[in-house]
Formats: sequence, C-alpha cells, structure tokens
Amino acid sequence: QLQLQESGPGLVKPSETLSLTCTVSGGSISSSSYYWGWIRQPPGKGLEWIGSIYYSGSTYYNPSLKSRVTISVDTSKNQFSLKLSSVTAADTAVYYCARLALSWDVWGQGTTVTVSS
Amino acid sequence: EIVLTQSPATLSLSPGERATLSCRASQSVSSYLAWYQQKPGQAPRLLIYDASNRATGIPARFSGSGSGTDFTLTISSLEPEDFAVYYCQQRSNWPSYTFGQGTKLEIK
Repeated sequence: QLQLQESGPGLVKPSETLSLTCTVSGGSISSSSYYWGWIRQPPGKGLEWIGSIYYSGSTYYNPSLKSRVTISVDTSKNQFSLKLSSVTAADTAVYYCARLALSWDVWGQGTTVTVSS
Repeated sequence: EIVLTQSPATLSLSPGERATLSCRASQSVSSYLAWYQQKPGQAPRLLIYDASNRATGIPARFSGSGSGTDFTLTISSLEPEDFAVYYCQQRSNWPSYTFGQGTKLEIK
C-alpha cells in the first residue's frame, strides 16, 4: 500500500526558507503514471496547490508562488522535496504531499509549519 | 485561472437525510472535476474523480454528476461519519488544479 510521509521543521523564522521532504513507501516515485506534488492549507482555510513534479524532474508551480518555490526529486531515495523562500506569517499552514493520477489520490498525513520569530 | 465556487458554505442535515452539494466553475472544465472529503485533523480523501467516478473504496451512497460548469455531489443517506468538509477540484487547466473553498456538512 502506497504511503507518503512529510518531514521537516515545524517552525521557520520570517524571511527564511521552508524545507520539507516527502518520502514515498510501498511504491516507486519513478512510475511513469504519476506526478507528485505539494498542497497546503492555512489554519481554518481551504486547499492551495503549490506545485507538482514528475520523476524526470519536470516541475510545475502555482503562479502566485512561483518566484519562491522549488520542488525537486531524488529517485534514489524515493523522495521529493519542497523549498519555499522568504516566508512570512501567511505561509503558516499544514503542508501535504500527494500523488497525482487523474486527481490527488494518495495523500500524506500533513505537517504543520509555523512561521514565527 | 479557473475559479470554483461551492454552495452552500454550510449545510445542516440529519443522519439518514440526502445531501446535495454544488460546485460551479467560472468556465467549462468538461468532466474534469473531483470531490474530496476532509475530516478535522486529517488529510483530504478522494471521493469522486472525473465528475462521476467513485474512487477505490468509496461507498455507493456517494455519487457525482455534472459537466461543463455545474457539478453536484450527492450523498444518498447520510451516515454519522459523513459529516465533514467537502472540496471540489478541477483538472481541466493543467497544471493549475484549483480547489473550491469547501462546503461544511454539519449535523443538524
């Protein structure tokens, strides 16, 4: 059974870079059938797509975040990662990694990231 | 950007009743619409993809319909575990797969 697990610091200072990793188990990130991505949810709010990546390294970003986002993949570790630079309090959210087939069909449990000094 | 508008924002019903949730797109998304359920403290769970296809393991009381700009998620007879927030999401505008703002289904 495919599982995704987010990891990374739960607290990030304003203006610094948020870094998260998603580890995929029970399946290969190199499958040609899927993309992988990050979605976030601010407290009490809805879902926002951050970006997606293919195992080959092709990336796609939300235009509203594009200037600050980098998503990368490490197929040898079956992981993909998110970096979000110059964070502010508005970036405080639960961050989910997920698999994209026709829709987001497998999700990690989410990790809470708070931006605060 | 395609905007998805969900209605109502909150729906208050009792177990056993029928729930009808709406999602309207700002432009046609063909049948490329999905529905997710999210319970407090949990990740969203895919219920319906491509407007009317139930995801693996989803009970038959959940059904989706619609095409173009107007979509509906129907729960035929509410179970206690169905009270949650529901989101629609379009995949017509690759790669910007936008979500609706959500409908909270609460116990009356």
